[in-house]
Amino acid sequence: NAGVMQNPRHLVRRRGQEARLRCSPMKGHSHVYWYRQLPEEGLKFMVYLQKENIIDESGMPKERFSAEFPKEGPSILRIQQVVRGDSAAYFCASSPERTGGKSPLHFGNGTRLTVT
Amino acid sequence: GESVGLHLPTLSVQEGDNSIINCAYSNSASDYFIWYKQESGKGPQFIIDIRSNMDKRQGQRVTVLLNKTVKHLSLQIAATQPGDSAVYFCAESSDYKLSFGAGTTVTVRA
Repeated sequence: NAGVMQNPRHLVRRRGQEARLRCSPMKGHSHVYWYRQLPEEGLKFMVYLQKENIIDESGMPKERFSAEFPKEGPSILRIQQVVRGDSAAYFCASSPERTGGKSPLHFGNGTRLTVT
Repeated sequence: GESVGLHLPTLSVQEGDNSIINCAYSNSASDYFIWYKQESGKGPQFIIDIRSNMDKRQGQRVTVLLNKTVKHLSLQIAATQPGDSAVYFCAESSDYKLSFGAGTTVTVRA
């Protein structure tokens, strides 16, 4: 897990508020992946981004969720008007290039979002 | 100790024994497979991987076996230690997207 930094580690939001989750990739990595883990389940792919581009957002709900990876700064996963069902652990991974199934992803320690 | 079937979520093993964790995958096009270990409050930690042109790969105390005919993957841990207690996930991939299994919780008895 060394290298991929996520913050905050824990985030509590009331229903209807906005949640912003940040991911700083490993140094030199320009590809970022977000995954969500519900309790007692495996991780589920949400979105894959390169700097300033969304490559694949097929796993991300179309409403309320958005992601960005600007030229400068961390990648941000934004959830607007949170609902209880958004409570989960959100993990980020990074790679220096599109992995193409040639090397494993290394994950950060996640942000645990709790919606009250 | 050994977990069998896709839906058995827990495995209890005596310290010092060997552990076998099983995983069935679904996508015939998957050509890359990874085992991750996840401890409480942490992200998945890479253990070992294998490509579809291999059927066995060994690491330190761990071995992964791949049977493409029946789409089955297993992780063997030799001489299981208390620090091996965690949830273990298999993941499959045909490109950049990983698909994770549900996970097996391994508990090591002293």
